[in-house]
Amino acid sequence: DTAVSQTPKYLVTQMGNDKSIKCEQNLGHDTMYWYKQDSKKFLKIMFSYNNKELIINETVPNRFSPKSPDKAHLNLHINSLELGDSAVYFCASSHMTGGNTIYFGEGSWLTVV
Amino acid sequence: AQKVTQAQTEISVVEKEDVTLDCVYETRDTTYYLFWYKQPPSGELVFLIRRNSFDEQNEISGRYSWNFQKSTSSFNFTITASQVVDSAVYFCALRYYNNNDMRFGAGTRLTVKP
Repeated sequence: DTAVSQTPKYLVTQMGNDKSIKCEQNLGHDTMYWYKQDSKKFLKIMFSYNNKELIINETVPNRFSPKSPDKAHLNLHINSLELGDSAVYFCASSHMTGGNTIYFGEGSWLTVV
Repeated sequence: AQKVTQAQTEISVVEKEDVTLDCVYETRDTTYYLFWYKQPPSGELVFLIRRNSFDEQNEISGRYSWNFQKSTSSFNFTITASQVVDSAVYFCALRYYNNNDMRFGAGTRLTVKP
């Protein structure tokens, strides 16, 4: 069973389009995240939700909007896609406190053309 | 400030060589956690190890070992008798006890040649 699953794995789309990436975890965690990995492999947090409540919202264009319908799901919607949005987006989850391990999904490769 | 430095951008070794990946961190807190993740060419991020700041015991898991030294703020990772399947990007990361974020180093790309 996949612990953190995200879809789609690959996404190629044109500039200006709107797209969504879905994420689900079956680990019973209360906290979920979106991380972005750029072309140089640098990983940076974008958002974090704890029990459906937004906890971390890094400096991310407001074209990016996370949505957490329940604590097992965290989706990422991106409006008006730009070339610079091309990256790998990782969903992840953990228990909130205690420095617990963050477990990552397999990543979604987004290419904007 | 919470910061992780992996000074080695790329390392290339020949199979069966031992290799050490360096990780140096900065933190203002006394309670924190250190991690290593592996990202193979297929792209997923695989958790390898988690250590808390109060446990400086070195850890060994098969060919992998980790050396945690608070005196030098380092958490280095050694692969013994490397194999081609060890080729990946390895990330060191730091997380505070009550912080929801994990800060990653820039990663070290390890290439193991046959």
